Amino acid sequence: DAKTTQPPSMDCAEGRAANLPCNHSTISGNEYVYWYRQIHSQGPQYIIHGLKNNETNEMASLIITEDRKSSTLILPHATLRDTAVYYCIVRAISGSARQLTFGSGTQLTVLP
Amino acid sequence: GAVVSQHPSRVICKSGTSVKIECRSLDFQATTMFWYRQFPKQSLMLMATSNEGSKATYEQGVEKDKFLINHASLTLSTLTVTSAHPEDSSFYICSATRGQVMGYTFGSGTRLTVV
Repeated sequence: DAKTTQPPSMDCAEGRAANLPCNHSTISGNEYVYWYRQIHSQGPQYIIHGLKNNETNEMASLIITEDRKSSTLILPHATLRDTAVYYCIVRAISGSARQLTFGSGTQLTVLP
Repeated sequence: GAVVSQHPSRVICKSGTSVKIECRSLDFQATTMFWYRQFPKQSLMLMATSNEGSKATYEQGVEKDKFLINHASLTLSTLTVTSAHPEDSSFYICSATRGQVMGYTFGSGTRLTVV
């Protein structure tokens, strides 16, 4: 799985958009970009994933650059409950289930 | 849908005793489950991959005789920490796949404290 690089921490004002970047310059053509978040003392929560097109769901939007070497997770209206560690994970889909490998993630703090 | 239940959420045990943690997929069948461990201020580290009906595959450095994993059904995997010591105190998290493209669902985690 391709290596990802994320800033260790970010702050965002409540009600504003939070834009979390992720660099995955060695991504292969069959690798998806996944985003998870972990609120303190809880298990990770799936947010969104994509291959090459931009994706949006009820939680967030995922913008993947055309060359797929980086992506941005957008929380459109951040709330205090969005304070968490956000993980960007790149992995391929294979014939058998494989684990998700977590990096150090980005600690997002939403400020009142 | 796609809920994974993990129990207990917190457990305190004495050094030398064993603790069992259960991970259940409530509304889907999970042929593969994963067990992670997370120390304070660190990321999740994979301990083992558990496949229904077969022996678990452990990551390098994880003692299989100490961390016993059983995956007897498509909805239940258990992790037993045997002869627990204070250094085993950690946050243990399980996950299961609903289908690879859809991602993975995680349990809420178990905080183990060995005293």
